[in-house]
Amino acid sequence: DSGVTQTPKHLITATGQRVTLRCSPRSGDLSVYWYQQSLDQGLQFLIHYYNGEERAKGNILERFSAQQFPDLHSELNLSSLELGDSALYFCASSVTGTRGNEQFFGPGTRLTVL
Amino acid sequence: GNSVTQMEGPVTLSEEAFLTINCTYTATGYPSLFWYVQYPGEGLQLLLKATKADDKGSNKGFEATYRKETTSFHLEKGSVQVSDSAVYFCALIDYSNYQLIWGAGTKLIIKP
Repeated sequence: DSGVTQTPKHLITATGQRVTLRCSPRSGDLSVYWYQQSLDQGLQFLIHYYNGEERAKGNILERFSAQQFPDLHSELNLSSLELGDSALYFCASSVTGTRGNEQFFGPGTRLTVL
Repeated sequence: GNSVTQMEGPVTLSEEAFLTINCTYTATGYPSLFWYVQYPGEGLQLLLKATKADDKGSNKGFEATYRKETTSFHLEKGSVQVSDSAVYFCALIDYSNYQLIWGAGTKLIIKP
């Protein structure tokens, strides 16, 4: 158990809908990262938050957004869903973004868009 | 830009065989390097890491050495077990934004 929790574990929804994925980092970790794992694109970085502020964006679509709250939990919002958004979404956390600081991953949320 | 290339799978071995999964990288600067493992139906677990050239990361019988001259970080294990069957990902960290850059993953199948 990494100490990172994600809810829900599975999510099934229809095209055009909007969903929210939730992540709670390990106690004491200030950084939260979101990654998408899909069969065709592999693992891709989406976005990084540090202590409530956005630090970096990766291959995140405009239909997707995220935020980190004062209690450091984070939410990833996916809207106008398409079939191609079906994937495993991982959240990871680390103490800070310092050298060698490994990221600890949650169990993921599997999103299926029908 | 930064990238990671790892050998394609699946790799199928018999129990107690020697394992090598190749990983090479392209990066500016001096990234830290990682191996993560994903067991069936589970999330990503850090297996080992190395933060500078010539560092050797090790865990659970797995080892990898950070080779700057060959830009490689190959994963090795002397005697694999059926329980090692999983997908293994090589990754580096981009310190400009702290994102992990991933290899495509190598599926390892160990037969009894």
